[in-house]
Amino acid sequence: EVQLLASGGGLVQPGGSLRLTCTASGFAFRNFAMSWVRQAPGKGLEWISAIIGSGGDTYYADSVKGRFTISRDNSKDTLSLQMDSLRADDTAIYYCPKGSETSRPYYFDYWGLGTLVTVSS
Amino acid sequence: EIVLTQSPGTLSLSPGERATLSCRASETIRNNYLAWYQQKPGQAPRLLIYGSSSRATGIPDRFSGSGSGTDFTLTIDRLEPEDFAVYYCQPYGSSRTFGQGTKVEIK
Repeated sequence: EVQLLASGGGLVQPGGSLRLTCTASGFAFRNFAMSWVRQAPGKGLEWISAIIGSGGDTYYADSVKGRFTISRDNSKDTLSLQMDSLRADDTAIYYCPKGSETSRPYYFDYWGLGTLVTVSS
Repeated sequence: EIVLTQSPGTLSLSPGERATLSCRASETIRNNYLAWYQQKPGQAPRLLIYGSSSRATGIPDRFSGSGSGTDFTLTIDRLEPEDFAVYYCQPYGSSRTFGQGTKVEIK
């Protein structure tokens, strides 16, 4: 059974940093691209970052480019998102869906529970 | 970046009725790389449809997808109580931006 568990969320002040982790199980993690998708309270889904299976290529939405860094450790089946220079509009639930392939094109075939990030003073 | 426009914003229907949801893209989506997701309150999204018309594993056959180019449709035949949710479309070729969602609510 595929399981994806995002963790590391919490309350952080504007300008601060936070590191999210996604722990995967139930599939060959290294063979699939992974992404981060967020959802602000009461809003829709926003894709923000992706990384291919090998970790060699990464992608970012303009809204987070230069502030967030995606990475993965295929030896530990974990995905990470380092978030710096956080702003109030980064407040959201962050999900780490699994891609259907190792690189583009892929859809998100499994989603796990997300983790809530709140940016507020 | 492809912009997706979903309509209507909200669809009010009764159980047993058919729901027809539209997803229109600002430019052609190549190879029908279009997916649909369902999200219920307090839950993570779930994949329903990929490749415009292929049902994901475990998805009931009352859900069907169609369309190509810039116009895509998700149809839910005979709405069940558990189908009332928000539905998102998303291209997955060169773009990953989600549509704004259509809420299917109980009338």
